[in-house]
Amino acid sequence: GAGVSQTPSNKVTEKGKYVELRCDPISGHTALYWYRQSLGQGPEFLIYFQGTGAADDSGLPNDRFFAVRPEGSVSTLKIQRTERGDSAVYLCASSLNSGSGADTQYFGPGTRLTVL
Amino acid sequence: QKEVEQDPGPLSVPEGAIVSLNCTYSNSAFQYFMWYRQYSRKGPELLMYTYSSGNKEDGRFTAQVDKSSKYISLFIRDSQPSDSATYLCAFLIQGAQKLVFGQGTRLTINP
Repeated sequence: GAGVSQTPSNKVTEKGKYVELRCDPISGHTALYWYRQSLGQGPEFLIYFQGTGAADDSGLPNDRFFAVRPEGSVSTLKIQRTERGDSAVYLCASSLNSGSGADTQYFGPGTRLTVL
Repeated sequence: QKEVEQDPGPLSVPEGAIVSLNCTYSNSAFQYFMWYRQYSRKGPELLMYTYSSGNKEDGRFTAQVDKSSKYISLFIRDSQPSDSATYLCAFLIQGAQKLVFGQGTRLTINP
């Protein structure tokens, strides 16, 4: 079956602009995660959705970052007033969230954001 | 002190060698221990997952966890050029859903 997909694969924007990054999780997965990976670093957690609600947004760096998942499937990560330091690969993952132990998180290929 | 320490490498070995990758961690609440593999310009994919001290084997891969020393390892036997990738250790706290990753070790297997 299809994996996690993310669009666009690459996004170049200018400092101060607004961007939206989209994630389509694996069908049937109720949990969805956003991570950010800077060059040469491991992914860092941003936010976790269970269904439509954000269950944990403790990783969002500031109020310029916001994410939604209005129908419990597709999610959009929104970044306002982008800064050069926001340049990174934004990864989305989804899991079944069976409630038993640690669910496997399946990652998409990421969106590479470059802020000029 | 970082929660997770992982040598970023790069690590380069000849084909067929045994590879050892390691991470140390400081958070005693970590209860699930994982290794992810990430190819260039791809998302991470889960290789191994364990929740107890000891060894877990899957084909050419062995994951080892020592909770008393807060140290985990991944061993790759009979390494292949297709194993060339970045290997990320990852940790999870019981009841939480956010993975905490190491920096990743970039591995190259030379034919």
